[in-house]
Amino acid sequence: NAGVMQNPRHLVRRRGQEARLRCSPMKGHSHVYWYRQLPEEGLKFMVYLQKENIIDESGMPKERFSAEFPKEGPSILRIQQVVRGDSAAYFCASSPGTGAGRREARSYNEQFFGPGTRLTVL
Amino acid sequence: TQLLEQSPQFLSIQEGENLTVYCNSSSVFSSLQWYRQEPGEGPVLLVTVVTGGEVKKLKRLTFQFGDARKDSSLHITAAQPGDTGLYLCATANAGGTSYGKLTFGQGTILTVHP
Repeated sequence: NAGVMQNPRHLVRRRGQEARLRCSPMKGHSHVYWYRQLPEEGLKFMVYLQKENIIDESGMPKERFSAEFPKEGPSILRIQQVVRGDSAAYFCASSPGTGAGRREARSYNEQFFGPGTRLTVL
Repeated sequence: TQLLEQSPQFLSIQEGENLTVYCNSSSVFSSLQWYRQEPGEGPVLLVTVVTGGEVKKLKRLTFQFGDARKDSSLHITAAQPGDTGLYLCATANAGGTSYGKLTFGQGTILTVHP
């Protein structure tokens, strides 16, 4: 049973370019979350999506960042016109939707993380 | 201010020693999770605690949820170099229904020397 998959694992971009990060949730999971990890800030929530819907984007910067989780295919986190401050590790997590998965996972929002994409902006 | 305060931030010990990591808050939680993250990898869920006073054991790891559900601890017995990593506590709520985003503590970086 494959876990959460993210690609690429490492991404290098020059300032002003676009970065696209992909996440395939665990089989049977319909909820996807994106987090960013900076050494000085720890792991911070960015956005929570269900299929074709953004549920909570309170942690996402208002400009340059967008996320989607289409009906078919992986979730995409898109960063336009990257700046050096965007350099970080970006993690995707997934959890079962209501009615799916272990009762505990559903009730307490246990999330399962991918290996992350390490973005470096030159 | 951090919702979840973890201490200590750094812990460096010798193989075979015992240690305790703390996760404290002024808020009440209906559940709290502990994750372990190795360098270059994503966090891996270790345990979820949900009942005040609950104690859960995972081999040499013992997790406790405070009676008032405001704090938690992780105790490792006879630490091994393989225990080295970043230990994170997290919650999906601050007293409300569990849903949506996880809020993480700053983490404890544990290094176990052979």
